[in-house]
Amino acid sequence: EVQLVESGGGLVQPGGSLRLSCAASGFTFSSHWMHWVRLPPGKGLVWVSRISTDGSRTTYVDSVKGRFTISRDNAKNTLYLQMNSLRAEDTAVYYCARDSRDARAFDVWGQGTMVTVSS
Amino acid sequence: DILMTQSPSSLSASVGDRVTITCRASQIIDIYLNWYQQKAGKAPNLLIYTASSLQSGVPSRFSGSGSGTDFTLTISSLQPEDFATYYCQQTYSTPWTFGQGTEVEIK
Repeated sequence: EVQLVESGGGLVQPGGSLRLSCAASGFTFSSHWMHWVRLPPGKGLVWVSRISTDGSRTTYVDSVKGRFTISRDNAKNTLYLQMNSLRAEDTAVYYCARDSRDARAFDVWGQGTMVTVSS
Repeated sequence: DILMTQSPSSLSASVGDRVTITCRASQIIDIYLNWYQQKAGKAPNLLIYTASSLQSGVPSRFSGSGSGTDFTLTISSLQPEDFATYYCQQTYSTPWTFGQGTEVEIK
């Protein structure tokens, strides 16, 4: 079964750090670009970041540039999102998603992990 | 950044109704437009990619059309399991951006 499972969310104070993980199974992880998308409470989906198959290319939405770092370990079939200098507006459910390769769409999603930034 | 604007923001419809949701891009995005369905507390689910291609496993009552800047998602006969929030997404240029969502509610 093709599956993505996120972990690492939780409550963190403003200015703090958190690392999210996304464990992939059931497909050739190293063949797909991967993404992080977030859903703030009461708002819509926001694309956060993407990473190439070998990890050499990354892209970020402006609001997280310089604070978040996406990475991957293809030997462990795992995607990461290191989040530093967290702000209240980073509070959201964070999803990892698989890029479909041919269709430029996100065809597999994890169940999400909640990040709450609050004092 | 490309702004994606969906309309309406919400709608009420009955089982069996034909439902249409529109999405407009702030600049030309060719056919790089996807549609997702999201139910409360669940992950989004890909319905349509590249404007009109039906994702495997998605019922044929869902269809998409459009190119350039104007796109449409149509549900031909609304079913109870279709009550959810729908998002369009452009993948023409980064940052990929989503519409604000359209909530489909039971009338």
